[in-house]
Amino acid sequence: KNQVEQSPQSLIILEGKNCTLQCNYTVSPFSNLRWYKQDTGRGPVSLTIMTFSENTKSNGRYTATLDADTKQSSLHITASQLSDSASYICVVGGTSNDYKLSFGAGTTVTVRA
Amino acid sequence: NAGVTQTPKFRVLKTGQSMTLLCAQDMNHEYMYWYRQDPGMGLRLIHYSVGEGTTAKGEVPDGYNVSRLKKQNFLLGLESAAPSQTSVYFCASVRRPGGGVEQFFGPGTRLTVL
Repeated sequence: KNQVEQSPQSLIILEGKNCTLQCNYTVSPFSNLRWYKQDTGRGPVSLTIMTFSENTKSNGRYTATLDADTKQSSLHITASQLSDSASYICVVGGTSNDYKLSFGAGTTVTVRA
Repeated sequence: NAGVTQTPKFRVLKTGQSMTLLCAQDMNHEYMYWYRQDPGMGLRLIHYSVGEGTTAKGEVPDGYNVSRLKKQNFLLGLESAAPSQTSVYFCASVRRPGGGVEQFFGPGTRLTVL
């Protein structure tokens, strides 16, 4: 069964600090990996999308990395802001068709002043 | 552009009641999806549609039905609601599926079945 495991489940960081979220997956075949940000009470919003040939992608203060050999990805948040408080979801596409997406349970990030 | 909208935002049902959740998108996307999100779990696909007039089952389709009579609308129906269907429901759409194509989500519908 295709699985996407995220760690930690939750974390608290001080404003201005950096943090890194982890995602391990067993999805095969692999097509793409996405990171979404979900604010409380809202739908997920795409941060980055990487295909198997890409190993890093940035979106402002968010940088995602991908190691397709070890089936691991990370999302690094630089100089955190209060608005970064949200759930971050790792999503893996097993084929080129979106209906084969596998979602992680998410990491809840709380940024404190 | 409103993007993806969902109606209603909240709903409380009694066991056995029926309801329909409406998803609408104004981006002319071909593919639309219904997911449910439960605490501690990743989103799970209920049903999806690859175009007007077509629907297909996802990972957890039991107890739900869908219809896509118009390209911009995707309806999710619960014929006889059960407490296990208490969840947050998200609709999503994408122009076409693919590795580098973004999927757009609606704001969600929070459903409680008593």
